[in-house]
Amino acid sequence: EAGVTQFPSHSVIEKGQTVTLRCDPISGHDNLYWYRRVMGKEIKFLLHFVKESKQDESGMPNNRFLAERTGGTYSTLKVQPAELEDSGVYFCASSPRRNRGNSPLHFGNGTRLTVT
Amino acid sequence: AQRVTQPEKLLSVFKGAPVELKCNYSYSGSPELFWYVQYSRQRLQLLLRHISRESIKGFTADLNKGETSFHLKKPFAQEEDSAMYYCALSSAGGTSYGKLTFGQGTILTVHP
Repeated sequence: EAGVTQFPSHSVIEKGQTVTLRCDPISGHDNLYWYRRVMGKEIKFLLHFVKESKQDESGMPNNRFLAERTGGTYSTLKVQPAELEDSGVYFCASSPRRNRGNSPLHFGNGTRLTVT
Repeated sequence: AQRVTQPEKLLSVFKGAPVELKCNYSYSGSPELFWYVQYSRQRLQLLLRHISRESIKGFTADLNKGETSFHLKKPFAQEEDSAMYYCALSSAGGTSYGKLTFGQGTILTVHP
């Protein structure tokens, strides 16, 4: 099966600009998660979609971040306007609907965002 | 609040030596613990989870609730084990199974 894919792999933008990250989960996976790792810190949860609905967005840092999942397929994470502290690696992960027991999270390769 | 601590940022061993990557957690409920690994130029992937009680690539990890630890061990390290290792915790049950709390990670280097 095709894995979780993320676009772009690397993005360099200036402070104040807008960036949109995209994640295509594994086909059929209802759960979609966004995580990020900022420099020197641990990987942190941002939010969780079940199909097109936001199940948990407790990890979103502020209202400059907007996540969507149109039709319950791919997801986008928009940062507007970007700030220097938003630099880091943004990971997407997906899993089947009833994620118990034998269904681990499948991670994408991540998008490295650099805000200058 | 749940928290995962990996005290070692870097760990170096020689091939064939035993290796132990430490992980401690704090969580008031009944957690599920995982080890994820990221090899060079590869994506983050699950190595093992405590509920499976299995050995993957020679690695084992035992959940010690008394010491709130989930250390990862391998008796004889191999060069291909060199990678970044993350310990992670999920609150068991409910809809938040995939909401993981990660430790800061340990970079393991196995020298020839």
